[in-house]
Amino acid sequence: DAGVTQSPTHLIKTRGQQVTLRCSPISGHKSVSWYQQVLGQGPQFIFQYYEKEERGRGNFPDRFSARQFPNYSSELNVNALLLGDSALYLCASTGGLAGGAGSTDTQYFGPGTRLTVL
Amino acid sequence: AQKITQTQPGMFVQEKEAVTLDCTYDTSDPSYGLFWYKQPSSGEMIFLIYQGSYDQQNATEGRYSLNFQKARKSANLVISASQLGDSAMYFCAMREVSGNQFYFGTGTSLTVIP
Repeated sequence: DAGVTQSPTHLIKTRGQQVTLRCSPISGHKSVSWYQQVLGQGPQFIFQYYEKEERGRGNFPDRFSARQFPNYSSELNVNALLLGDSALYLCASTGGLAGGAGSTDTQYFGPGTRLTVL
Repeated sequence: AQKITQTQPGMFVQEKEAVTLDCTYDTSDPSYGLFWYKQPSSGEMIFLIYQGSYDQQNATEGRYSLNFQKARKSANLVISASQLGDSAMYFCAMREVSGNQFYFGTGTSLTVIP
């Protein structure tokens, strides 16, 4: 079975540009979460979507937005890119209900998109 | 306050030896899950092991076991018989029933020495 897939794998943008990152969850998973991981740190939560609705949002500015499609895939958009947005962006899917903390709520991560802002 | 604290930025272990990676957590939610992930240099986060707050037994998955001490709010990962391929960053994470996100620690870099 295919795991979580993300595209593109690498991206280089300049300040002020906009970027769209894509994620496809594991088949049957309805929840997708996005994380930003700056070099040398742990992942920071950006968004969670479940059944196409936003269920959680981390402490990120409004330049960050996301959406989930009927097939449960998701896009993360970042506008007006800053140098500090350079990071690894991770997508994770879970088969459990949003807000659960059981073993079925384990998040499985994709390989990430490495964004570099120049 | 930090939800997850990993106090060991870097650890070294001899091949075939056991190693313990420390993790403490902070929550007032009675129901939560604790997770450990491995992140090789390639970047992908690989799920290793899960422990629920109501689980009576410590979780085990192959060479991985979780030393869960609820009263001390600690969830240390024990890797037995270390292998060279275990060299990676290791992250402890927690999810509360009341919330919709995973909280990650800052990670521990493990290096296995031949």
